[in-house]
Amino acid sequence: GAVVSQHPSWVICKSGTSVKIECRSLDFQATTMFWYRQFPKQSLMLMATSNEGSKATYEQGVEKDKFLINHASLTLSTLTVTSAHPEDSSFYICSINSPGTGGETQYFGPGTRLLVL
Amino acid sequence: LAKTTQPISMDSYEGQEVNITCSHNNIATNDYITWYQQFPSQGPRFIIQGYKTKVTNEVASLFIPADRKSSTLSLPRVSLSDTAVYYCLGNSSASKIIFGSGTRLSIRP
Repeated sequence: GAVVSQHPSWVICKSGTSVKIECRSLDFQATTMFWYRQFPKQSLMLMATSNEGSKATYEQGVEKDKFLINHASLTLSTLTVTSAHPEDSSFYICSINSPGTGGETQYFGPGTRLLVL
Repeated sequence: LAKTTQPISMDSYEGQEVNITCSHNNIATNDYITWYQQFPSQGPRFIIQGYKTKVTNEVASLFIPADRKSSTLSLPRVSLSDTAVYYCLGNSSASKIIFGSGTRLSIRP
């Protein structure tokens, strides 16, 4: 399957600062990437769909001005949490769609743990 | 989008076979059924995928009845390291994935 990396793996920042998280597809050119957020003991929640060369599509309730997504190339998407607050502390995971053994399969990055103090 | 329903949690013992069933009543014709495993503080890991009947790989088996309204993930001879959350999902190339609650599997010695 496709290999997805994220950087950083964890980050601690002060309230009010901005944090950028990178998602890279290492062996597949991904026109679409997905960003999820996961709170402790909860399931993954889809935040947005990142489209190469065009604007991201955000899920209902996700502020596009707070969570800036840039998909500048077929192998890189970035998520910037602007003016982060403690309630933004979460586990952020990206994924890509890639041909699998049968149909399209999503492959996930290792995740980025964000802690806002 | 295929909405899925799974048991919230399951317990078993090392060496046992574990079967986790997922209900997906409104799965679309072109949706594949995919199962993922997630350990704490890690991204979900692909386990197995199928469309109908039975699929087997080195890790698990997936059973899908003819009506495709449910699927069962079978883990043979589980070990402590199989303790994780397991998600079943219906997806196609045209659809985004919406995660359900998943099944928290706990394996005891």
